[in-house]
Amino acid sequence: GESVGLHLPTLSVQEGDNSIINCAYSNSASDYFIWYKQESGKGPQFIIDIRSNMDKRQGQRVTVLLNKTVKHLSLQIAATQPGDSAVYFCADNLTGNQFYFGTGTSLTVIP
Amino acid sequence: DTEVTQTPKHLVMGMTNKKSLKCEQHMGHRAMYWYKQKAKKPPELMFVYSYEKLSINESVPSRFSPECPNSSLLNLHLHALQPEDSALYLCASSQSTKNIQYFGAGTRLSVL
Repeated sequence: GESVGLHLPTLSVQEGDNSIINCAYSNSASDYFIWYKQESGKGPQFIIDIRSNMDKRQGQRVTVLLNKTVKHLSLQIAATQPGDSAVYFCADNLTGNQFYFGTGTSLTVIP
Repeated sequence: DTEVTQTPKHLVMGMTNKKSLKCEQHMGHRAMYWYKQKAKKPPELMFVYSYEKLSINESVPSRFSPECPNSSLLNLHLHALQPEDSALYLCASSQSTKNIQYFGAGTRLSVL
């Protein structure tokens, strides 16, 4: 079954501020995680991924942090823009054959 | 190019109808997936095809029948659906089941 979950279902941030979206997972054997962004009326879009042999990975305006000790990962979005408004999912490739999606966090950017 | 194309975008069907959803990718991916997504919920895995063979069926009712005619195409045949089957149906593909999945825009299905 699912092994990932999110702490907060909704998040509102002011445009230009940084956003932090959290995700907890339950199985210490999980070794690969992906963050997806889903805008209204669209399919999930890949943002960034991280493997368990890493603590941090950076992309364009996004950073994913992985804390294996407490089984927690976070997605940080720098200088949040209105176009960042979406639902964000973390997904876990625990079994190696499929990804389990977390509950999702709805991010709203206030202009 | 990371495009997965799904048709139709919208579908309305009665409980006695038979319809099919289609998915296509030309990225050379060997794994393809069907997900069901209800409003304000995460995608739920239905089926996984790996190298054109069904590898995972997440206890999906038989009124949903997947088909993988070749490595680029994935179909989902629908028959005698229930109103609770109304949802967004997402197709995804990846190089293998251990890699990043790329999603289509989905088919919004309404069962009357």
